[in-house]
Amino acid sequence: TQLLEQSPQFLSIQEGENLTVYCNSSSVFSSLQWYRQEPGEGPVLLVTVVTGGEVKKLKRLTFQFGDARKDSSLHITAAQPGDTGLYLCAGARQTGANNLFFGTGTRLTVIP
Amino acid sequence: DAGVIQSPRHEVTEMGQEVTLRCKPISGHNSLFWYRQTMMRGLELLIYFNNNVPIDDSGMPEDRFSAKMPNASFSTLKIQPSEPRDSAVYFCASSFSGRNYGYTFGSGTRLTVV
Repeated sequence: TQLLEQSPQFLSIQEGENLTVYCNSSSVFSSLQWYRQEPGEGPVLLVTVVTGGEVKKLKRLTFQFGDARKDSSLHITAAQPGDTGLYLCAGARQTGANNLFFGTGTRLTVIP
Repeated sequence: DAGVIQSPRHEVTEMGQEVTLRCKPISGHNSLFWYRQTMMRGLELLIYFNNNVPIDDSGMPEDRFSAKMPNASFSTLKIQPSEPRDSAVYFCASSFSGRNYGYTFGSGTRLTVV
């Protein structure tokens, strides 16, 4: 059983379209991170959100942490082929440990 | 800094052989994590260390898997004996300890057991 479920699992869109990826859990997290992974490489950290309701923007990417800190979303505006990759959310529990629980992943393909 | 360095990048071995994966974390990071990634199960935490001490190894599949961190700059993950179901990409990541610090991942070791 995965602690963090992401949807959709696969997403293929045309360049210039907008999209939203969701990360949901029944558990509360003290913080949540988003990573992007390209083929043959390890995941790379995009952002960390800590406060319930927090919104962070990274160029065309907007990240939001749910008010109850159980869910998060990633919105990409005007997607580009360079956005193609596997997007992973990862949460840190409130136990004091710093190990992250990773989501199931969303594989995004942006078609030129 | 060169980032987290893993070796080898690719390993093909026969069932029953011993496999050793190596990791050099980022200098100054005091937490190290070993993950396994497959299409079916995604990223699974195997074990992690804080200040070279194993904290949680509950993700290690079975006794065939062992991990060590003899010092702050080196860790190994050993599989003995290896089985075809161990085939996966194994990632090492390092971080500062604390809930809000992100991980820096290595490029992974793609293991194929035939």
